[in-house]
Amino acid sequence: AQSVTQLGSHVSVSEGALVLLRCNYSSSVPPYLFWYVQYPNQGLQLLLKYTSAATLVKGINGFEAEFKKSETSFHLTKPSAHMSDAAEYFCAVSFNDYKLSFGAGTTVTVRA
Amino acid sequence: GAGVSQSPRYKVAKRGQDVALRCDPISGHVSLFWYQQALGQGPEFLTYFQNEAQLDKSGLPSDRFFAERPEGSVSTLKIQRTQQEDSAVYLCASTSKVEGSYGYTFGSGTRLTVV
Repeated sequence: AQSVTQLGSHVSVSEGALVLLRCNYSSSVPPYLFWYVQYPNQGLQLLLKYTSAATLVKGINGFEAEFKKSETSFHLTKPSAHMSDAAEYFCAVSFNDYKLSFGAGTTVTVRA
Repeated sequence: GAGVSQSPRYKVAKRGQDVALRCDPISGHVSLFWYQQALGQGPEFLTYFQNEAQLDKSGLPSDRFFAERPEGSVSTLKIQRTQQEDSAVYLCASTSKVEGSYGYTFGSGTRLTVV
């Protein structure tokens, strides 16, 4: 069964510092991969997605993620954190069907 | 509409009560999904509609859960005889594509609290 693992349930960064959120998937077949962001009391917003085109994917709000097949990873990064980046981030995987399987999420806090 | 709309935003139900949660997808979106998000967890798949056809209900936790989309637009998730373990945020999502590569648009969810 496919699954996705997010390493670290909480990440704290200083404003202006690098944001790095880790996501690994378990599959022998490259899936479709997504990062979503969830602000308090809101639904999930799509940040970016990998669908077998370029391995480096750029998303909204300055985020990007790199698909590494050899490491089965799809880590999310942002060079410089902003206070507005404080939220919960979910990595998700789909295997060419309609279902998304989500990781447990990583909560990001940004220190002034 | 411009986005996926869910109502009510918050629902408190007494244990044993029936509840109905509504989802208005983006106009013209073929596919509609329901997910359950327990506190501190990622969303878990419940069920999937393509137009009015419910093609997958494998994620529904029990036969107390029922979903419908009779005209291929608005969907309702019904939970009968609610239990405390049903407390969660119920998210609805829609997409214009059938395949999973497209990504969904999610609503803001309905937070159900069973007391």
